[in-house]
Amino acid sequence: AQKITQTQPGMFVQEKEAVTLDCTYDTSDPSYGLFWYKQPSSGEMIFLIYQGSYDQQNATEGRYSLNFQKARKSANLVISASQLGDSAMYFCAMRGTNAGGTSYGKLTFGQGTILTVHP
Amino acid sequence: NAGVTQTPKFQVLKTGQSMTLQCAQDMNHNSMYWYRQDPGMGLRLIYYSASEGTTDKGEVPNGYNVSRLNKREFSLRLESAAPSQTSVYFCASSDPGLASSYNEQFFGPGTRLTVL
Repeated sequence: AQKITQTQPGMFVQEKEAVTLDCTYDTSDPSYGLFWYKQPSSGEMIFLIYQGSYDQQNATEGRYSLNFQKARKSANLVISASQLGDSAMYFCAMRGTNAGGTSYGKLTFGQGTILTVHP
Repeated sequence: NAGVTQTPKFQVLKTGQSMTLQCAQDMNHNSMYWYRQDPGMGLRLIYYSASEGTTDKGEVPNGYNVSRLNKREFSLRLESAAPSQTSVYFCASSDPGLASSYNEQFFGPGTRLTVL
């Protein structure tokens, strides 16, 4: 079974500062993918960044980067230069493997972290 | 290109009533999913369809049925709604491939369901 743990129910950050949102995962699958999604108050799910278990480099997408530490089973999201529009719920999710190394794409989500950016 | 669409956006039911949530995607994805989101919790998988003609249970399937009508459409049915099914329901689609390969899962806007 897979499990995603986000231990920070809420985080606060000052505008223009960087913030790290924690995510740890548990899986016995040799191959997996890790995702971060943003959910603003309007409710939609917005994809931010992806890291594959075999990727050697940490993923980056604009102001988002993923601090992937495979041995520690952590995949923390780093948001640099926070903006007021970054205030939202953030979810870490994992996609595991079925027999044969394929995936049906099912995602397991953490409980989420509410980020509030102060001006 | 609409992506993933869901209807309705909001619905209020009385206990025991039935309804069907509709979902359609125009990205030619093979796999489709239904999740529910409850306050303070992440999304949990209800049912999924790995490909047209197949469906399978997820983490919380009790009280729900699904139909993969064709490659585009995947519906979720509540036969006898209960207050515990009050939630926000998300439909999603993807072409999953290998677990470690980049294949984004696209989400619909969600349906907010209240069961009284």
